[in-house]
Amino acid sequence: EDQVTQSPEALRLQEGESSSLNCSYTVSGLRGLFWYRQDPGKGPEFLFTLYSAGEEKEKERLKATLTKKESFLHITAPKPEDSATYLCAAGGTSYGKLTFGQGTILTVHP
Amino acid sequence: DGGITQSPKYLFRKEGQNVTLSCEQNLNHDAMYWYRQDPGQGLRLIYYSQIVNDFQKGDIAEGYSVSREKKESFPLTVTSAQKNPTAFYLCASSGQGSQPQHFGDGTRLSIL
Repeated sequence: EDQVTQSPEALRLQEGESSSLNCSYTVSGLRGLFWYRQDPGKGPEFLFTLYSAGEEKEKERLKATLTKKESFLHITAPKPEDSATYLCAAGGTSYGKLTFGQGTILTVHP
Repeated sequence: DGGITQSPKYLFRKEGQNVTLSCEQNLNHDAMYWYRQDPGQGLRLIYYSQIVNDFQKGDIAEGYSVSREKKESFPLTVTSAQKNPTAFYLCASSGQGSQPQHFGDGTRLSIL
């Protein structure tokens, strides 16, 4: 059975304090590792797809990396507007089906 | 602008009532999905459809039904058999292969 676990459950940072979110996965035949941002009362917003170990993607203050067992979302010098829930999802051999982690709630204080 | 539209934003269900949640997309995506999100839990897959007139059960399909008569539309019916329907329901769509899923802004269903 595919499994995705995110840690920590919640993270509080001061503005400018860099940190990382973790996503551990056990998936047969990984077809893609996806990161999403979700604001309260909204649907998840797509951020990144990573397909193979060693791959990295960047967007503004966010950088996602992938190993054979984990993915990290690095946040550099965060701002209060980066506060959101960050979701990780893995796609395995079952076409189109994603397994989601429970999310990390990030709060950035000014 | 292309996107996914879910309606209504809020919905209330009475005991013994079936309710239908709407999902429309204009992204020309073949695949569509319905998820349920509960506080502190990840998204759980209810049903998915890879092509018109075909759909498969996800991990928590009991008490739900769907149809896929048009490429653009994938409505979800929450039946009276679903005993704990209070949740945030999300619809998504994706293109071929390992393309990312894109989500609507959800429908919050509550019980009267």
